Amino acid sequence: EAQVTQNPRYLITVTGKKLTVTCSQNMNHEYMSWYRQDPGLGLRQIYYSMNVEVTDKGDVPEGYKVSRKEKRNFPLILESPSPNQTSLYFCASTNRGDEQFFGPGTRLTVL
Amino acid sequence: EDQVTQSPEALRLQEGESSSLNCSYTVSGLRGLFWYRQDPGKGPEFLFTLYSAGEEKEKERLKATLTKKESFLHITAPKPEDSATYLCAVYLGGGYNKLIFGAGTRLAVHP
Repeated sequence: EAQVTQNPRYLITVTGKKLTVTCSQNMNHEYMSWYRQDPGLGLRQIYYSMNVEVTDKGDVPEGYKVSRKEKRNFPLILESPSPNQTSLYFCASTNRGDEQFFGPGTRLTVL
Repeated sequence: EDQVTQSPEALRLQEGESSSLNCSYTVSGLRGLFWYRQDPGKGPEFLFTLYSAGEEKEKERLKATLTKKESFLHITAPKPEDSATYLCAVYLGGGYNKLIFGAGTRLAVHP
């Protein structure tokens, strides 16, 4: 089954404790993105990647890092999480830039 | 500044009561406009892509149209299972994943 998976689905952590949210797709897509979704603000792009080792900032990259060492994986790293990073995070992938396949989401709470 | 605005924020319909959702945009260089459906606790699910003014696409009870300034998602004779949040996003090209999302319209269809 074609899908984008994210782990963990739910995470509660404390300020400053480094964390990684994993994202994997099995569709051999070249393009992958991370978004955060906050009430009233919609989905905002954090980072995107056009291929292995090619990444670029989206609209809200501050406080986040990404890496793309393999085509299928695109982890999101929060080196020192803060409460304002409490949000719902989605990973997405596409091969053509139009139909993006989204993962199920990761709900992160930073205390 | 590139902007996407969806209206209304929330819409309540009776089953069978047709209506339209609006997505207006002020962007430079629109390359495409997408509609997604999002159910609570899930990632957005792709519905349509529109590329040029005058284009229309249909899927079951949904029909999407595009003008130079806005897009409409028409819902004909909705059913309770159409209840969801509907998101639109504009694709500006350049970075292949560059999408700007609206905040969404929450649709509730009551029997």
